[in-house]
Amino acid sequence: DQQVKQNSPSLSVQEGRISILNCDYTNSMFDYFLWYKKYPAEGPTFLISISSIKDKNEDGRFTVFLNKSAKHLSLHIVPSQPGDSAVYFCAASAGAGGTSYGKLTFGQGTILTVHP
Amino acid sequence: NAGVMQNPRHLVRRRGQEARLRCSPMKGHSHVYWYRQLPEEGLKFMVYLQKENIIDESGMPKERFSAEFPKEGPSILRIQQVVRGDSAAYFCASSLHPGQNSGNTIYFGEGSWLTVV
Repeated sequence: DQQVKQNSPSLSVQEGRISILNCDYTNSMFDYFLWYKKYPAEGPTFLISISSIKDKNEDGRFTVFLNKSAKHLSLHIVPSQPGDSAVYFCAASAGAGGTSYGKLTFGQGTILTVHP
Repeated sequence: NAGVMQNPRHLVRRRGQEARLRCSPMKGHSHVYWYRQLPEEGLKFMVYLQKENIIDESGMPKERFSAEFPKEGPSILRIQQVVRGDSAAYFCASSLHPGQNSGNTIYFGEGSWLTVV
């Protein structure tokens, strides 16, 4: 049962353009969402997060949008840079402030390639 | 750099041997999590520990796997009698405390790659 899904295995974007990575979830108990970036043979690096009480969070070139009714979130990277090329994972947790917080459910990942 | 430290980075074991993976959380963090990434899959939660306590082990296989986080020293993920299917990347993560409203973040280590031959 895949509770967090990233339906696009890969995405290719030109440098300077916008990258949009999508994520869908099925568990309505999820109330906190995170995006991680991962290079081969390295651990995931935290990028940005959003609580279910918000619908948008922005940090520099990264913006995460949350649509609770559609159970969908997206990560926008503007402008995209070649150094952004990596695997991006969407993750979700349930139980704000509780012991479930650190128990993240990850999507399968999307490989982003930004061409110069 | 006081990040999450994992060792060894790479470990090769023969079937039937034991594997021990160690994790030192980020400085000041008292909550440790272990995740496993099988080839071509996303990360899967295994266990959540605090010092001397297992809080949630719902993702741990019922047999051969155990985890601890003693009062002193690193957290240890132990796999007894390894089989080929245990070959994976094992990631440790840590956080200050579970409360997301405090702006808490879960930070991951670089991972330990286990290969069972």
